[in-house]
Amino acid sequence: DTAVSQTPKYLVTQMGNDKSIKCEQNLGHDTMYWYKQDSKKFLKIMFSYNNKELIINETVPNRFSPKSPDKAHLNLHINSLELGDSAVYFCASSQGLAGHTDTQYFGPGTRLTVL
Amino acid sequence: GENVEQHPSTLSVQEGDSAVIKCTYSDSASNYFPWYKQELGKGPQLIIDIRSNVGEKKDQRIAVTLNKTAKHFSLHITETQPEDSAVYFCATRLSNTGNQFYFGTGTSLTVIP
Repeated sequence: DTAVSQTPKYLVTQMGNDKSIKCEQNLGHDTMYWYKQDSKKFLKIMFSYNNKELIINETVPNRFSPKSPDKAHLNLHINSLELGDSAVYFCASSQGLAGHTDTQYFGPGTRLTVL
Repeated sequence: GENVEQHPSTLSVQEGDSAVIKCTYSDSASNYFPWYKQELGKGPQLIIDIRSNVGEKKDQRIAVTLNKTAKHFSLHITETQPEDSAVYFCATRLSNTGNQFYFGTGTSLTVIP
């Protein structure tokens, strides 16, 4: 069973479109994250949710909107896609907030290409 | 905020040799230091971690050392094998920012058979 899953794995779309990436974790974790990995492999946190509540919101254009229908899911919706949005997006989860159970488990990634 | 620097960006070693990757950080409030391995086409996977009250931790061929005074920590891989080839990331977590992680820029390790 996949612990953290993302769909789709690949997403190719035109500039200006709206798209969503879905993430689900079956680990019973309380905290979920979205990261963006650019072409140079740099990993940057975008959002973090704990029990469906937003706790981290880095400087990300408001075209990006996370949605957490329940604590096992954290979806990422992107409006008006731009060329610079092309990257690999990773979802991750961890047990909770600050504490001893810090390990983050990453999904397989979604490669987004904006044409 | 935290600033994590990682060196080298690329590293090639002969099979059987050791590999060392180093990271420095800026915020003394960091208290948790994981290392991730990312294979091609996959997400990062935790391979070892260390907490601020420990100086060294070892797991088979992998070890991590932490120097809190100097604010640096290192990953050591001994007896490298071709399957160790991947991109490795260090990360830190500040004790006062919930669960926000700051990642290094990655090291692409190639083990030459």
